[in-house]
Amino acid sequence: AQSVTQPDIHITVSEGASLELRCNYSYGATPYLFWYVQSPGQGLQLLLKYFSGDTLVQGIKGFEAEFKRSQSSFNLRKPSVHWSDAAEYFCAVGSTGFQKLVFGTGTRLLVSP
Amino acid sequence: SQTIHQWPATLVQPVGSPLSLECTVEGTSNPNLYWYRQAAGRGLQLLFYSIGIDQISSEVPQNLSASRPQDRQFILSSKKLLLSDSGFYLCAWSHKTGLNTEAFFGQGTRLTVV
Repeated sequence: AQSVTQPDIHITVSEGASLELRCNYSYGATPYLFWYVQSPGQGLQLLLKYFSGDTLVQGIKGFEAEFKRSQSSFNLRKPSVHWSDAAEYFCAVGSTGFQKLVFGTGTRLLVSP
Repeated sequence: SQTIHQWPATLVQPVGSPLSLECTVEGTSNPNLYWYRQAAGRGLQLLFYSIGIDQISSEVPQNLSASRPQDRQFILSSKKLLLSDSGFYLCAWSHKTGLNTEAFFGQGTRLTVV
């Protein structure tokens, strides 16, 4: 069965600093991988996704993620964080065929001035 | 373009009362539909998914049920709510297999059982 681990529950980053959120997955076949962002009390918005091809994926709002099969990881990065990036971030893995996403427990990002 | 509507946005219900949350999708046909629950510190838990009308799969045993009476309508129900049913409920849809298979989420319903 698929599973996702986000080891960091909270992360605090200074505005303008770089960001990396960790995600490790477990899945027997080639995974579909996603990063979503959730503002308080809101639904989830897709930041980026990986299905195949180039392992470095660009997303919206200046985010990128790198798929590393050897490490079973799909870490999210941003070179310079803005205060508006404060939110909760979820990594998810989907199976081929029927798309049933399994989510990690999320990482809450706090941005300090 | 496709849109997903979920209502109500917030709901406070007494223990033992029934529940009905509704989700509808517009602008697409024959979508996969999902109900997720989000509890603090526990991420999103998939409760139900549906690949078609009256085709519902349950992921976890619980006090809830789901129905899909129409192609783009997905309903989450309970006959008698428990305190543990409190949480943030999210409806989502996705295309069938293909490149665009991410899930698109509604704005969620905050359910508080008192």
